[in-house]
Amino acid sequence: EIVLTQSPGTLSLSPGERATLSCRASQSVSSSYLAWYQQKPGQAPRLLIYGASSRATGIPDRFSGSGSGTDFTLTISRLEPEDFAVYYCQQYGSSPQTFGGGTKVEIK
Amino acid sequence: EVQLVESGGGLVQPGRSLRLSCAASGFTFDDYAMHWVRQAPGKGLEWVSGISWNSGSIGYADSVKGRFTISRDNAKNSLYLQMNSLRAEDTALYYCAKDGDRGSWGSSWFDPWGQGTLVTVSS
Repeated sequence: EIVLTQSPGTLSLSPGERATLSCRASQSVSSSYLAWYQQKPGQAPRLLIYGASSRATGIPDRFSGSGSGTDFTLTISRLEPEDFAVYYCQQYGSSPQTFGGGTKVEIK
Repeated sequence: EVQLVESGGGLVQPGRSLRLSCAASGFTFDDYAMHWVRQAPGKGLEWVSGISWNSGSIGYADSVKGRFTISRDNAKNSLYLQMNSLRAEDTALYYCAKDGDRGSWGSSWFDPWGQGTLVTVSS
C-alpha cells in the first residue's frame, strides 16, 4: 500500500501568514489522485482539494493544491482564524486508499 | 443538501458484534460508491471498507478483512457495516462517506462525510 508522510507534524503560524503543508508518497500516485481534507475539533473531515489541485465546491481560493508523482503541497495563502485545524492528505489512485498522518496548523 | 447520518455505535465487549448504519439523503444514492472510514481517539484517518453503487465491487482494509462486512440497500438509501469479533483496537469514531465522483469505484475522493458514530470495544 502507498504510505503518505505529511510534514511538518505541527505548523505554528499567525493569522495572515502563508502555510505550506507537504505530503510525500512512498510510490507515485497515479493520475494525481490526491485529495486534501480539513478537520476541526469535534467535526468530520471536509474536502478541500481533489485531483491534487482542484478546489472543492465552496472552498475559498486562498487554498491551493499542487504537485504530482510523489510530492504534493497544500498552500493556504493567508491564514484566516477559521483555518487553524488539522489537515490530511489522501491518495485514492491505488487500493487501499490511504491517508497521511495529518498536519496540525496552530496559532502561534 | 447531502446528508449522511450514522447510527449503531456504542460500548461492546471484545469478541462481540455490532452493526452500524448510515442513512443517506439529498442525492441519488444508487449512483455512488460509499465508504466507511474510522478515526481512533486522538489519531488519524483509516479507510475501513468501500462498496460500489451496485454492490458489485467491495473492498476492505487488511485490519478488518474477514471480520467486517459492508452492505447497502439502495431501496432504503442506507449503508451498513457488520462488525464481528470486535477488538480493542477497533475502538474509533466510524464515519460514513460518499464517493466524490458519480459512478466511480476505487478512484475517487470522499465528499461529504457524516458526523460519525462512536464504537468503544472494552470489557
